[in-house]
Amino acid sequence: DVKVTQSSRYLVKRTGEKVFLECVQDMDHENMFWYRQDPGLGLRLIYFSYDVKMKEKGDIPEGYSVSREKKERFSLILESASTNQTSMYLCASSFAGTGETNEKLFFGSGTQLSVL
Amino acid sequence: AQSVTQLDSHVSVSEGTPVLLRCNYSSSYSPSLFWYVQHPNKGLQLLLKYTSAATLVKGINGFEAEFKKSETSFHLTKPSAHMSDAAEYFCVVIGAAGTDKLIFGTGTRLQVFP
Repeated sequence: DVKVTQSSRYLVKRTGEKVFLECVQDMDHENMFWYRQDPGLGLRLIYFSYDVKMKEKGDIPEGYSVSREKKERFSLILESASTNQTSMYLCASSFAGTGETNEKLFFGSGTQLSVL
Repeated sequence: AQSVTQLDSHVSVSEGTPVLLRCNYSSSYSPSLFWYVQHPNKGLQLLLKYTSAATLVKGINGFEAEFKKSETSFHLTKPSAHMSDAAEYFCVVIGAAGTDKLIFGTGTRLQVFP
């Protein structure tokens, strides 16, 4: 069964802390994505990666960075956490082949981050 | 730019009655459209997708959606709601042709009453 695993379900951090959110997928997918989900705003794309050591900014990259040192792992980094980064963070991955399969994203269960 | 608008933030139905979740899209080219569902404390799951084949798309759990170009709509329907359908539903469009960059709507929370 396909799996995208996010390391923490709930996380509480202090303002100014450096925060790492980890995501691992076991499907050998090339593409990985980080979204944040806020009530009334849906999901917004933060960063994505189509290959190891490759990253692209999404729609709201400010205050975030990412790391993809291995194909299966995609980390989201909050360099200096702020209260407006309190949110649900969702990781997703997808296959990069041609045809229909590359449009289906597999999501992790999410990390609810609270910044106090 | 591609976008989707979900017209209702909340929809409430009784078990056994039809479900209609509305979505309008904006696209400069023939879009690829999706519906995803998120059950409480679970990851998002693909319900169905439209990629310019048949305009009536059947998905999992009895859901279907019809692509109507003249109305720029992609509404999600189910003939008879079940308690297990209570969840949040997202209408989604591909952000740029040939990419996996998805643009999500703001979501519709479906409540099902016994």
